[in-house]
Amino acid sequence: DAKTTQPPSMDCAEGRAANLPCNHSTISGNEYVYWYRQIHSQGPQYIIHGLKNNETNEMASLIITEDRKSSTLILPHATLRDTAVYYCIVRAPMMDSNYQLIWGAGTKLIIKP
Amino acid sequence: DSGVTQTPKHLITATGQRVTLRCSPRSGDLSVYWYQQSLDQGLQFLIQYYNGEERAKGNILERFSAQQFPDLHSELNLSSLELGDSALYFCASSGGGEAFFGQGTRLTVV
Repeated sequence: DAKTTQPPSMDCAEGRAANLPCNHSTISGNEYVYWYRQIHSQGPQYIIHGLKNNETNEMASLIITEDRKSSTLILPHATLRDTAVYYCIVRAPMMDSNYQLIWGAGTKLIIKP
Repeated sequence: DSGVTQTPKHLITATGQRVTLRCSPRSGDLSVYWYQQSLDQGLQFLIQYYNGEERAKGNILERFSAQQFPDLHSELNLSSLELGDSALYFCASSGGGEAFFGQGTRLTVV
């Protein structure tokens, strides 16, 4: 599985869009980009994933560059409850495929009132 | 609710002891993953089982072992516990797509 690089921390004002970047320059053609978040010692929560097209769901949007070497998670209207550590993972979605062995530190997103 | 159940939620035990953490995956998910998260650290992958067989191993100590049973639930056994084993232990399950995490077991070794 490819490694990812994320900034260690970011701030965002409540009500504004939070844009979290992730670099995955060694991603393989069959690997998807997944985003999770962990709110203070709770179990990580799945947010969204994509292969090469942009994706949107009720929680967020995912923008993947054309060369697939980076992506951006967008929380359109951040609330205080979005304060969490956000992890970017890449993996092949096979039934027995492993998740990235090392998740890394992720990005600590702090939403400020 | 992720559908993944971990028990117990909290565990306090003494050094040198042995404990067993249990995980019930989401219905139909064949893969189970175990992670350790020490205070203010990232998730450290321990081990993965797929349909009863060990699939991948991370930096799991020899004092730790796991298994996945025919009904797909999994147990993580931690023995000869040390103070440094105090951590959150998460279980996740997957059917090939996104992983769903349990709420974790907080282990405190005193």
